[in-house]
Amino acid sequence: QKEVEQDPGPLSVPEGAIVSLNCTYSNSAFQYFMWYRQYSRKGPELLMYTYSSGNKEDGRFTAQVDKSSKYISLFIRDSQPSDSATYLCAMRANAGGTSYGKLTFGQGTILTVHP
Amino acid sequence: DTGVSQNPRHKITKRGQNVTFRCDPISEHNRLYWYRQTLGQGPEFLTYFQNEAQLEKSRLLSDRFSAERPKGSFSTLEIQRTEQGDSAMYLCASSSLDRDAASTGELFFGEGSRLTVL
Repeated sequence: QKEVEQDPGPLSVPEGAIVSLNCTYSNSAFQYFMWYRQYSRKGPELLMYTYSSGNKEDGRFTAQVDKSSKYISLFIRDSQPSDSATYLCAMRANAGGTSYGKLTFGQGTILTVHP
Repeated sequence: DTGVSQNPRHKITKRGQNVTFRCDPISEHNRLYWYRQTLGQGPEFLTYFQNEAQLEKSRLLSDRFSAERPKGSFSTLEIQRTEQGDSAMYLCASSSLDRDAASTGELFFGEGSRLTVL
């Protein structure tokens, strides 16, 4: 079983829809949770970052972390065609120690927002 | 452009040949990571450098793979005797120790080097 599980989709929604993306994980040491967006043939870029449990909102994007359930979510409101990309959840333990700040990624969910 | 730069962007090679990829990180970043991403999968960690020291290698990094970061600047990833299973996107990322201390955890990725082994 992988440390981080993410439904690969693909997910297709109409413009303006609310999108919900989710990941589950098994490693209790993970404390920092991120969502990266990756356009086709590009490298991933950081979209949202959350430390420990709680919610974080940035414009149309909301990230939620529930450490008790080992479950994280990303919500996109009023989705736009420009949001069409692969969304990767990523997480890590503390930057110190032997984790070296490396990230463990989910499989990625392919999202298409059609006009 | 002051982002992470990777070269070449695409390499097509025949099975058994050696290939080398180069990564130039953001200049003030002392942490450098190599990841591999296959089609339909998320990036998988390969190896990590802090300055010039290679501090961790994944089990994914077989003996045919070697990475270096001389003088703590650019890094190279060499694959010897390539196999078809090596076909993937090789991503380089860098970060700053100071920024990690501030706990954003942000890795800045390059656009990747795509390897196709025929």
